[in-house]
Amino acid sequence: GAGVSQSPSNKVTEKGKDVELRCDPISGHTALYWYRQSLGQGLEFLIYFQGNSAPDKSGLPSDRFSAERTGGSVSTLTIQRTQQEDSAVYLCASSFGSWVEQFFGPGTRLTVL
Amino acid sequence: SQQGEEDPQALSIQEGENATMNCSYKTSINNLQWYRQNSGRGLVHLILIRSNEREKHSGRLRVTLDTSKKSSSLLITASRAADTASYFCATDQGGSEKLVFGKGTKLTVNP
Repeated sequence: GAGVSQSPSNKVTEKGKDVELRCDPISGHTALYWYRQSLGQGLEFLIYFQGNSAPDKSGLPSDRFSAERTGGSVSTLTIQRTQQEDSAVYLCASSFGSWVEQFFGPGTRLTVL
Repeated sequence: SQQGEEDPQALSIQEGENATMNCSYKTSINNLQWYRQNSGRGLVHLILIRSNEREKHSGRLRVTLDTSKKSSSLLITASRAADTASYFCATDQGGSEKLVFGKGTKLTVNP
């Protein structure tokens, strides 16, 4: 079966533009996570969706970041008015429930010029 | 603050040797997981150890967990060049449904 997919794989944008990053989780997985990884660093938690519950947005760094998950499946992470410090690899993961292994997508490398 | 802190930050060994990486954390956990990352992209899950377990094996991997010391170790035996990657530990924070990752150990296995 297909794994977690993300698009685009690379995105170059100009400072001040909005970007949308997409994540297609594994079918049937109820939990979906977004992380950010800066060069040579660990993963920074951004947001977590679990079923129909309200998302845990505690990791979003500013109100320029938002995410939604439609129909309990596909998720979109939106960054408005991008800044150079937003440059990073954005990783999406899904899992079947909580406290179990997460399956990661290949990531989207965002570069803000 | 980082929940998981890996040690060492970088490790270079020869093929065939064993590699040991350590992880320390701060709060109580339900489980601790180890992941591998190649080339700075997607992570691959290696092993999950629950808080009531002390040791777990998977192939050439051996993970230990000491909840009294809030620490875990990952041992890779008979390493191969293909094991070259960054290794991360991840923990929940007192039962939180989100994982907190450390900064990782970069392992280089020289042929």
